[in-house]
Formats: sequence, structure tokens, C-alpha cells
Amino acid sequence: GENVGLHLPTLSVQEGDNSIINCAYSNSASDYFIWYKQESGKGPQFIIDIRSNMDKRQGQRVTVLLNKTVKHLSLQIAATQPGDSAVYFCAENLYGNQFYFGTGTSLTVIP
Amino acid sequence: DTAVSQTPKYLVTQMGNDKSIKCEQNLGHDTMYWYKQDSKKFLKIMFSYNNKELIINETVPNRFSPKSPDKAHLNLHINSLELGDSAVYFCASSPTSGGAKETQYFGPGTRLLVL
Repeated sequence: GENVGLHLPTLSVQEGDNSIINCAYSNSASDYFIWYKQESGKGPQFIIDIRSNMDKRQGQRVTVLLNKTVKHLSLQIAATQPGDSAVYFCAENLYGNQFYFGTGTSLTVIP
Repeated sequence: DTAVSQTPKYLVTQMGNDKSIKCEQNLGHDTMYWYKQDSKKFLKIMFSYNNKELIINETVPNRFSPKSPDKAHLNLHINSLELGDSAVYFCASSPTSGGAKETQYFGPGTRLLVL
């Protein structure tokens, strides 16, 4: 499969601070990306997506940035809350509905 | 109402046994998937079915056989279970067919432990 990797396997932030989770993807032809959140004991849950014709997309407290030049994706979470503690995955899509997932970053929010 | 459900939630079995995991989605989606998540949280697609037809079949041992009796159900049967099959198996679904790029909705997972 494709190589979708994350720069940091774990991240700890203070409650109220902003979090940035990074992801590198390997296929420059990938044109659709999704960030998922996986809480302990649950399945991945959609957070935000972005297509390759955009370089930034904002949601509620989350922003995804896409840098196609260096094949890099990031997820920014504003005012991180304890409920944001989870494993975060980026997934890239090259064709059809087949996605390749990264290994995940575990985010811990310190109260 | 649970959108994507899986049974059982936990499955502990002996090596060499045959077991099945069931998945149902009540979202009216056309496409369903099976993923395997290993102990390091790496999530890898195994199969994709669209309207009961196999679309994606990644490099998976033929001991794994998906079966889709209708588009709301995708079951996974595993023959001759091996220690390395221990993992969390996630079912997912997505709305449309035809290779649309869209998000997938995941079930809660089935935690399989092979002893």
C-alpha cells in the first residue's frame, strides 16, 4: 500500500493550547485526504477532509493544511480539550474509495 | 441507532478454529469495507464490497473470505485462525458506489485474540 506516515507517534499538550499533528504522504498523485479521530475502544471517526485543489480547510476548532509541494498534511486543533485525547490518523486517497492510513499519533491533553 | 454495528465485540479463540465476524449498516450506503488494525494501531484495508460485489481485495490470505448477503451486510469469515490474526477488525461503509471519494463510517471494531 501507500506509505502514509506521521512525524510524531505521541503528542502531549496542555488543555487550552493549540495542537498540531503532522502527516507525510508518499504519492504525489493522491488527491483526497481525511483526518480521523479514534478514541479508546472505538472506531475511527471523521474529523475533516481536504481535496488537493485546496491548501487549507477549516472546521469547528480544527484546520487542515495541505502542502502538496512537500507532500505534507497537518491537523491543527484550537483550544485543545480533554475530550480531544485520542489517536489521530491521516488517510490518503489516490483512486476510487481506497484509502491508505498512517500509523496514527496519540494525543494526550493534560488538564 | 447504531449506524455501523459489528458482532461480536470481543472474540477469543484457539488457533486453528474457524470464526465469523458480522457487520451491518443501517445508513443505506452502497459500499462496505473490512479493515485490520494491528497492535501498533496501523489500519489497513482488507476488502471492499459495492452492492454485494467485491471491489478491493488487498493482499490478504485466502483464509479470509468476505460475504455480502445484501448491501447492508458484510461478514468476514476466517478459516484456520493463526496467532498473527489477532487484531481489531473494523467494518466501515461509505454512501455511494462508482469510486466516489468520500468519507467512510466505521463500526466499533471486533477485538480478535487467537490463543
